[in-house]
Amino acid sequence: AQTVTQSQPEMSVQEAETVTLSCTYDTSESNYYLFWYKQPPSRQMILVIRQEAYKQQNATENRFSVNFQKAAKSFSLKISDSQLGDTAMYFCAFMIPDSGNTPLVFGKGTRLSVIA
Amino acid sequence: DADVTQTPRNRITKTGKRIMLECSQTKGHDRMYWYRQDPGLGLQLIYYSFDVKDINKGEISDGYSVSRQAQAKFSLSLESAIPNQTALYFCATSARQGNTQYFGPGTRLTVL
Repeated sequence: AQTVTQSQPEMSVQEAETVTLSCTYDTSESNYYLFWYKQPPSRQMILVIRQEAYKQQNATENRFSVNFQKAAKSFSLKISDSQLGDTAMYFCAFMIPDSGNTPLVFGKGTRLSVIA
Repeated sequence: DADVTQTPRNRITKTGKRIMLECSQTKGHDRMYWYRQDPGLGLQLIYYSFDVKDINKGEISDGYSVSRQAQAKFSLSLESAIPNQTALYFCATSARQGNTQYFGPGTRLTVL
């Protein structure tokens, strides 16, 4: 079974600074997708970024980027120039395309607080 | 208008009551999912449907049932609610050829 581990239950960062959230996963598959979702206090689940395992280039979306280390099964999220609106729970998630079993497996989340 | 909507947004009910949570989407996606979120546990999959005639159990389906009334509608039922079903419930959708799931705003359910 696939598992996703987020080892940092809580983190904080000063506004305008950079922070990195960690995620590791366990799978024997070679083709898969990885995601970071953000859940602000409004509780909406918002897609932040997505990475396909077959792509060597790390995904980026504006201030958000990932460090995907396939051999180490690591998928960390870097937030640059942190803003107060980045305060949220962040979930790492894993999917095997068309697995027909458990389509998306989530980690337990990291609560990020951005401090003014 | 939101692409994925859930009703109700909040619900308080009593033990033993039957309750239905509804999800509708305008994204035209074939695949729909129901997740449950408990504090400190992330999201866990309850049921999913890859098309109108396809229903599959997730990792925590006991005590729940679903109905896919149409491509755009997927409802979750608790036949006899119990207090440990108090949680935040999310509906999500994805395209047949896509793998990104898009979530509704969630329903906070409290069972007394």
